[in-house]
Amino acid sequence: AQSVTQPDIHITVSEGASLELRCNYSYGATPYLFWYVQSPGQGLQLLLKYFSGDTLVQGIKGFEAEFKRSQSSFNLRKPSVHWSDAAEYFCAAGLYGNKLVFGAGTILRVKS
Amino acid sequence: DGGITQSPKYLFRKEGQNVTLSCEQNLNHDAMYWYRQDPGQGLRLIYYSQIVNDFQKGDIAEGYSVSREKKESFPLTVTSAQKNPTAFYLCASSIDPGSAAEAFFGQGTRLTVV
Repeated sequence: AQSVTQPDIHITVSEGASLELRCNYSYGATPYLFWYVQSPGQGLQLLLKYFSGDTLVQGIKGFEAEFKRSQSSFNLRKPSVHWSDAAEYFCAAGLYGNKLVFGAGTILRVKS
Repeated sequence: DGGITQSPKYLFRKEGQNVTLSCEQNLNHDAMYWYRQDPGQGLRLIYYSQIVNDFQKGDIAEGYSVSREKKESFPLTVTSAQKNPTAFYLCASSIDPGSAAEAFFGQGTRLTVV
């Protein structure tokens, strides 16, 4: 079955420190990949997406993600975290003609 | 401004009642989706529609119903058959249902059974 796994339920980082959120997918073929961010009580906002081509994808708010086919991963990174980055982050995947599948989410807490 | 509007933001329902959640989009998107969000479970697909007058069940459709009479509107009814309806509900749309294109989300409706 198609699935998306985010191994970390919660992550806490200090403001100014680097961040990496993990995402692994299980699909028969390489899916389209997305990262979304959700502030409490709000909808989801797209940070970045990977369809094909360059495996390092740049997104909004200083985020980037790297697609690694050999590891079936699409990890999200940010070099220096700001307090406003505290939110919940969702990885999602989908194949052409099929619905998106979401991971369970990772809650990011930022220490000042 | 183009976007997706969900209403109401908060909704309270008595046990045994049906309630309808509104979702309207002015993005001219063909595909629309309803998700349910519970803590620690991510987003689960309830129903989706790829075109007007057509919709399909998602992973957790039992106890829910939808309609798609207009391209802009995709209301969700939570029926009394849904045993645990308290959750955060998110509506989304995408321009091309076939390409798993970027989904745009509304701000959500929090439904509480009282």
